[in-house]
Amino acid sequence: NAGVTQTPKFRVLKTGQSMTLLCAQDMNHEYMYWYRQDPGMGLRLIHYSVGEGTTAKGEVPDGYNVSRLKKQNFLLGLESAAPSQTSVYFCASSYSWTEGIFGSGTRLTVV
Amino acid sequence: GQQVMQIPQYQHVQEGEDFTTYCNSSTTLSNIQWYKQRPGGHPVFLIQLVKSGEVKKQKRLTFQFGEAKKNSSLHITATQTTDVGTYFCAGGSIIFGKGTRLHILP
Repeated sequence: NAGVTQTPKFRVLKTGQSMTLLCAQDMNHEYMYWYRQDPGMGLRLIHYSVGEGTTAKGEVPDGYNVSRLKKQNFLLGLESAAPSQTSVYFCASSYSWTEGIFGSGTRLTVV
Repeated sequence: GQQVMQIPQYQHVQEGEDFTTYCNSSTTLSNIQWYKQRPGGHPVFLIQLVKSGEVKKQKRLTFQFGEAKKNSSLHITATQTTDVGTYFCAGGSIIFGKGTRLHILP
């Protein structure tokens, strides 16, 4: 089925470890986004991309890096995980600044 | 920067009662979108409003976009248990409000 796929679905990291979250979409969308969701904070934009090879910072970019080497993939990296990065991470994609299609999320715990 | 405020944060209603959530932006929006997130799920797109004063309906849901394109509302008539979840507004796919969590009392 077409859509947005996030891997992994769950992960536990130790403080200081690194990891990469993968987002893949098969809808040929130009725009892709990474959000984090914390209780009572809604969805906060981390980074976004408006096309292959381009990325931009969102509201809360510190501690994260991203890459969009291929149009269908958007990677979110944590170089040195901190407990404050414990959250649920959602990836989304869209044709333009319009209907966003979300993945099912990655639940990350940093201990 | 652009901010999108959403009220109320929580709402408890009796099944069958109406429910409204409001979204206000600090700047004029080119469009506004509404999403629903069920508990434990991911946000699902409901609708997009683009025109000033636009009103759209989806069964029991009515969406409005303000004349100045800085505010919007979602109204649910005669709530059902299937309406439980958090409703988010978003300006242009980028900035989300904090959402309104709707809880239905049986």
